Parts: sequence; structure tokens; C-alpha cells
Amino acid sequence: TQLLEQSPQFLSIQEGENLTVYCNSSSVFSSLQWYRQEPGEGPVLLVTVVTGGEVKKLKRLTFQFGDARKDSSLHITAAQPGDTGLYLCAEAPYESYNTDKLIFGTGTRLQVFP
Amino acid sequence: GAGVSQSPSNKVTEKGKDVELRCDPISGHTALYWYRQRLGQGLEFLIYFQGNSAPDKSGLPSDRFSAERTGESVSTLTIQRTQQEDSAVYLCASSSVTGLPYEQYFGPGTRLTVT
Repeated sequence: TQLLEQSPQFLSIQEGENLTVYCNSSSVFSSLQWYRQEPGEGPVLLVTVVTGGEVKKLKRLTFQFGDARKDSSLHITAAQPGDTGLYLCAEAPYESYNTDKLIFGTGTRLQVFP
Repeated sequence: GAGVSQSPSNKVTEKGKDVELRCDPISGHTALYWYRQRLGQGLEFLIYFQGNSAPDKSGLPSDRFSAERTGESVSTLTIQRTQQEDSAVYLCASSSVTGLPYEQYFGPGTRLTVT
């Protein structure tokens, strides 16, 4: 069974600081997605990475997919209070080619203080 | 257009009672998913529908859990004889395509509390 571990579990920082969140797997990802979830809402997709070594940028967010496709990172530059939320990585394992279900990571809860 | 909607938003029930949770997917989305999220944790997959058939029910935790879907529309998740460990947020998602990569659109969830 695919296990996705995220670290850190919790992160409290001041506005303007940089941070990195990690997602690691026990086996190779087919593709990986990052979601952000705010209180009382469902997760919202931020990005999908598919190719090993791929880097994608979304404003102040930089997403990297490891060369071996077993890990990914999310880096936020100059964090703002609006970045506060639960960050989740998710993967669709190879064996679910006919189900498209997602396997979610354990989550990183980020709090950015003004 | 309208997103995924779920009802009720909150449900408090007594242990042993049955509950029904409803999901209205985005119109035209053929795939529908149910997930469970315990407090402060990630999402656990429960069941997946393609149209009104459920090719993957592997995440349903026990036979007290069941789900159905009417055509490519509304889905209902039923939990019988609720237990305190069923307390969680139940999230529904829909998507328009199968195959990778793709996006699932989530509803706001139903927060279930079993007392």
C-alpha cells in the first residue's frame, strides 16, 4: 500500500518568511498533485507534476518533483497570512488506472501570522 | 457554474442511528468520489463511482457503510448504526475525465459528529 508522509506536520511562521513542505512516498509516484484546504472547505488543486525532476511555479509557490519520482516539495517564498491552510499531496497509484482514486498524504498545517 | 454541493453541512447524531449524506456533483461530471477526513488529518478514499456503477468500493471501512448514485447525478452515502469513530468530515468530489493527470473538484464536506 502506497504511504505518503508529509513533513513537517505543523508549521507556524511570521509573514515574509520562506518555508518548504515535503512529501515522500514508499514507492514511485505515477503523478503527484498538491492541494490546499482552508477551514470548512474542500481541498483545491494547486498543481499536478508528472515528470521526474519537473519544477512548476505558481506565483510565490514552487513545486518540485524528485528525479526518482518518490518525493516532492512545495516551497513558499515570502509567506502571507492568506497562505494559511492545510497543504496536502496526493498521488494516483499505478494500480488504480481504472479507478482514478487519489491517495492523500498526512498533511502539513501552515499558519502564517501577520 | 455551480460547484460540488453537499448536504447537510453539519450533522449531529446519536450512536446507533443511521445517517444519510448527500452529494450533488458538478453537472456533466461522470466520476464521483467519497473521502473521509478525520480531524487534522489527510483524506481517506471510501468509494468511486463512474456513472451509477461503483468499480472501486475498497475504502468503505465496514458493511455499515454504503453508497449509491443516480445516473450521473446525486450520490448518497449511508452510514448505519453509527459509532463514535465515524465522526469525521465526509468529502465528495467529482471529475469530468478519467486517466491521468486530471483534477477532482471537492465539495465543502459534511461534518458528522456521533455522540
